[in-house]
Amino acid sequence: DAKTTQPTSMDCAEGRAANLPCNHSTISGNEYVYWYRQIHSQGPQYIIHGLKNNETNEMASLIITEDRKSSTLILPHATLRDTAVYYCIVRVPLTGGGNKLTFGTGTQLKVEL
Amino acid sequence: EAQVTQNPRYLITVTGKKLTVTCSQNMNHEYMSWYRQDPGLGLRQIYYSMNVEVTDKGDVPEGYKVSRKEKRNFPLILESPSPNQTSLYFCASSLTRGSLGGYTFGSGTRLTVV
Repeated sequence: DAKTTQPTSMDCAEGRAANLPCNHSTISGNEYVYWYRQIHSQGPQYIIHGLKNNETNEMASLIITEDRKSSTLILPHATLRDTAVYYCIVRVPLTGGGNKLTFGTGTQLKVEL
Repeated sequence: EAQVTQNPRYLITVTGKKLTVTCSQNMNHEYMSWYRQDPGLGLRQIYYSMNVEVTDKGDVPEGYKVSRKEKRNFPLILESPSPNQTSLYFCASSLTRGSLGGYTFGSGTRLTVV
C-alpha cells in the first residue's frame, strides 16, 4: 500500500490560508489522493480528491506535484471551525473491484485568532 | 438528509456479552465499511461490503462479524466482546465499490468493554 507522511501538527491564523503538505512517494499511477478531516471525535468528513491535476471545490484546493509524489491541501481562508485532524490518503484499488482507504494519524491543524 | 446513522452513540458493556452496533444509510449506497479508531493508530478497517450478501475482511477483523442482508443496513456484531475492543467505531458508505466520490461516515459509536 502507498503510504503517506504528514506533519503531526500545524498552526494557522484565522483568515489566512492553511497549507497542509503530504508526501506519498510510493504512489502508483492509478491511485488517487484523498483528503478527509475529522473534527474532535466526529466521523471523518470527505474534503477533496485528485489523480494528477489540481482540483478545487467549495471547501479546498488540492495541488498535486507533477511527479505525484506529494500534494498540498489548501484551505484558502481558514476559520476556527477548520480546526481538525486532516488525513491525506492514497486510495488503493483492490483485486476484484473496490478500493481501500488507509487512514494514518493525520495532521492536527489548529486555527487561532 | 443523506446520512449514515449508527446506534447506539455510546455503549458500556461487560466482557462476553454479545452486542450489535447498527449502521444504516439512506443513500442507496452499495459499499459499506466498518472502522475502529484508537489513539495513535488512526482508523483501521474491520470489515467491508461491496453489496448485499458480499462481505470481506479488512485489516482487523478478529472478534467481529458483519452481515449485509439489505442494502441499507450493515450491522457490526461482537459475539463475545473483550476489553481490547474498547474503541470508537465508525460506519461508512459510498455509492459503489469503485466510486470516486468520498465516503460518508456515521457519527461514531464509543464502546467500552469492562
